[in-house]
Amino acid sequence: EAGVTQSPTHLIKTRGQQATLRCSPISGHTSVYWYQQALGLGLQFLLWYDEGEERNRGNFPPRFSGRQFPNYSSELNVNALELEDSALYLCASSLRAEQYFGPGTRLTVT
Amino acid sequence: AQSVSQHNHHVILSEAASLELGCNYSYGGTVNLFWYVQYPGQHLQLLLKYFSGDPLVKGIKGFEAEFIKSKFSFNLRKPSVQWSDTAEYFCAVNESDDYKLSFGAGTTVTVRA
Repeated sequence: EAGVTQSPTHLIKTRGQQATLRCSPISGHTSVYWYQQALGLGLQFLLWYDEGEERNRGNFPPRFSGRQFPNYSSELNVNALELEDSALYLCASSLRAEQYFGPGTRLTVT
Repeated sequence: AQSVSQHNHHVILSEAASLELGCNYSYGGTVNLFWYVQYPGQHLQLLLKYFSGDPLVKGIKGFEAEFIKSKFSFNLRKPSVQWSDTAEYFCAVNESDDYKLSFGAGTTVTVRA
């Protein structure tokens, strides 16, 4: 069974640009979660989508947004990029409480 | 909001030594508890989980964890570590009606051959 996949692996953007990150969940999983792993800040919850709806949102500004598609894949959009947005962005999927993580997208903002 | 504390930032052990990593959480309601592991160059993997029932749970690779409700703790143990257990270990918690995970800061475990 394929695990959670994320694309791209690496993304380099300039301050002020927009970034789009993509995630495909494990087959059969309806929930997708996004986390940010920034240096020195640990793993922080960003967004939770389930059945196409946003269920919960972490303490991040509105320029972090996303959506979930009918096939349960998801994308995370970060607008007006700032240097401190440089981090590893992890996607996880679940059917219920336990989450399975993808390899992440490394976003570098210069 | 949940907070999760991991007691050790970096643990260094010799092979065959026993390992115990501490984890405490702040929420007083019904919680689900997890330990994740991140081996060098790999992504986060679920090591073990606790939802309910027997407070002693066994996971993959010989790891176990004990949930002590009165102490808000979920400590990870392994009786005899191997060099391949070198990794970063994360404790995580979510609630029965809100599945977002709150993570501890992580503990880096280095096992010397």
